[in-house]
Amino acid sequence: GENVEQHPSTLSVQEGDSAVIKCTYSDSASNYFPWYKQELGKRPQLIIDIRSNVGEKKDQRIAVTLNKTAKHFSLHITETQPEDSAVYFCAASFFGNEKLTFGTGTRLTIIP
Amino acid sequence: DAGVIQSPRHEVTEMGQEVTLRCKPISGHNSLFWYRQTMMRGLELLIYFNNNVPIDDSGMPEDRFSAKMPNASFSTLKIQPSEPRDSAVYFCASMEMPSGYTFGSGTRLTVV
Repeated sequence: GENVEQHPSTLSVQEGDSAVIKCTYSDSASNYFPWYKQELGKRPQLIIDIRSNVGEKKDQRIAVTLNKTAKHFSLHITETQPEDSAVYFCAASFFGNEKLTFGTGTRLTIIP
Repeated sequence: DAGVIQSPRHEVTEMGQEVTLRCKPISGHNSLFWYRQTMMRGLELLIYFNNNVPIDDSGMPEDRFSAKMPNASFSTLKIQPSEPRDSAVYFCASMEMPSGYTFGSGTRLTVV
């Protein structure tokens, strides 16, 4: 089955700087890659996703890049703000297969 | 739409007791997932249903765990008998392709 590895497990960034979280996956058939943000005590919420026919997708300060050859994808947050502090999870699945495999999460802390 | 609704939000029970967690998915979503989240193991998929039919229950820890989806608007996860190691946050999520998951608010279970 699919295996998703996520790094780093913790990340501290000065407010205003950029943050990058990286994930690798094992199943070359995977073609759907969402990212979830989970604030303390809250539910995970979808913030951005990318499909394998696209190499990059951007939504305001958040962007995701995908390298299918290397089987890795990354989340980029620019101009970080205190409200970006949360745990971020990457995930992967084969489109048409509903089952998502999640990474182990990255705890991002924005230092004011 | 009210989103995915889970109940109860918190449950404290004694070891050996039966626990039932409930979930109402978003209307029209045809896939439903039960996840368990702990610090040590992250987000673990327990079971998922498609059109009310269990598709993959390989994540169910043992026979003490059971899940049902009698209709498109309701699912239960039952633990009998409960043990302290079952303490975790249990999330229900629903999905309609091609969107990602929508998680409920979770049930924080404490078994003492």
